[in-house]
Amino acid sequence: NAGVTQTPKFQVLKTGQSMTLQCAQDMNHNSMYWYRQDPGMGLRLIYYSASEGTTDKGEVPNGYNVSRLNKREFSLRLESAAPSQTSVYFCASSEPGRLNTEAFFGQGTRLTVV
Amino acid sequence: QQQVKQSPQSLIVQKGGISIINCAYENTAFDYFPWYQQFPGKGPALLIAIRPDVSEKKEGRFTISFNKSAKQFSLHIMDSQPGDSATYFCAASIGNYGQNFVFGPGTRLSVLP
Repeated sequence: NAGVTQTPKFQVLKTGQSMTLQCAQDMNHNSMYWYRQDPGMGLRLIYYSASEGTTDKGEVPNGYNVSRLNKREFSLRLESAAPSQTSVYFCASSEPGRLNTEAFFGQGTRLTVV
Repeated sequence: QQQVKQSPQSLIVQKGGISIINCAYENTAFDYFPWYQQFPGKGPALLIAIRPDVSEKKEGRFTISFNKSAKQFSLHIMDSQPGDSATYFCAASIGNYGQNFVFGPGTRLSVLP
């Protein structure tokens, strides 16, 4: 049982380059999320998808786009990378609404924009 | 009002000691308070969670204490072990929907052998 799988694990981009971060979950969860983690800032929500076919902005969506390809996959795209997007990115999934459900996180993608 | 404050930023404890991490919130609509544990190079993982209808929840060496009137909650790690060395995040949510999670900035715990 892989849980939440993210690719790649590490990436270095030049300013202005584009890339897509991939995320897949095998837990049949309806909701998926993209967070960024910066030192001293905790986890901040970029975009989320409450269910297949829907996406919504989170706290820090500027500079990003997402695609909920199917129930399993949720990708994050940086169209024109900027140094301010240097961060660790986490994908997560959950089955919301249940009393004691939890969010499961992937192992993260460490992105450096130079 | 959406912030969750967390302290201390870092904590060093001797093996066998008690680790205490505190969090505070403002939004009284929050009704779900999880703690996540993150080891270096890994994603956060749920450690323990509480709802405001109870004042304390214990799971093994980990206890959440919740003070609804003060809008504060804390994580206590009893008999701290070197394997507990990690970053701990408190969070608050309305209705346990991931899009509503507000995370604290994290506490880096080091347990010395």
